[in-house]
Amino acid sequence: NAGVTQTPKFRVLKTGQSMTLLCAQDMNHEYMYWYRQDPGMGLRLIHYSVGEGTTAKGEVPDGYNVSRLKKQNFLLGLESAAPSQTSVYFCASSLAGGPRFFGPGTRLTVL
Amino acid sequence: QQQVKQSPQSLIVQKGGIPIINCAYENTAFDYFPWYQQFPGKGPALLIAIRPDVSEKKEGRFTISFNKSAKQFSLHIMDSQPGDSATYFCAASMVTGGFKTIFGAGTRLFVKA
Repeated sequence: NAGVTQTPKFRVLKTGQSMTLLCAQDMNHEYMYWYRQDPGMGLRLIHYSVGEGTTAKGEVPDGYNVSRLKKQNFLLGLESAAPSQTSVYFCASSLAGGPRFFGPGTRLTVL
Repeated sequence: QQQVKQSPQSLIVQKGGIPIINCAYENTAFDYFPWYQQFPGKGPALLIAIRPDVSEKKEGRFTISFNKSAKQFSLHIMDSQPGDSATYFCAASMVTGGFKTIFGAGTRLFVKA
């Protein structure tokens, strides 16, 4: 039982490049979330999903897209990375009641 | 506009003291209020949570107080220890909104030995 895993752990991109962050959970959880964490701003919700095939916008969805084709995976995509997207990204999952288990995070730097 | 306001930004207490972290929200659609603890380099971990039909909840040394009319809630840490030094986040969630959960900005707690 690995819990919530995130791939990759670190990434450096150039402005305009694209990438996909993968979140995987093996707990059969319905709810999955993507947050970004920036100093002094807490965690801000980017997108979330209430089940396979569903996605919804959070507080700061612009510049990001997501997909939940399989229940265990929640992908976060950056089509054209910008320096403002430099952040630590956390994925989380739960059966209900808001994010319960968080992944270890992905540290992304956009130059 | 910050939907969940948290204070203070930082807090220093002596070992054995009772740090108190406060949060306030505006949207009455929020109906579930969790608190998270985060250590440096790690993801947040769920600590304790409360629903608005309860005014207080205790789990070990952690207590949440909830004031529905004031739209405020707070976390108290009894007999605080140096190992409690971490960043604490309050959050607010909407059950009917698919548990869309919004976080406060966080409070960095340091417990002196």
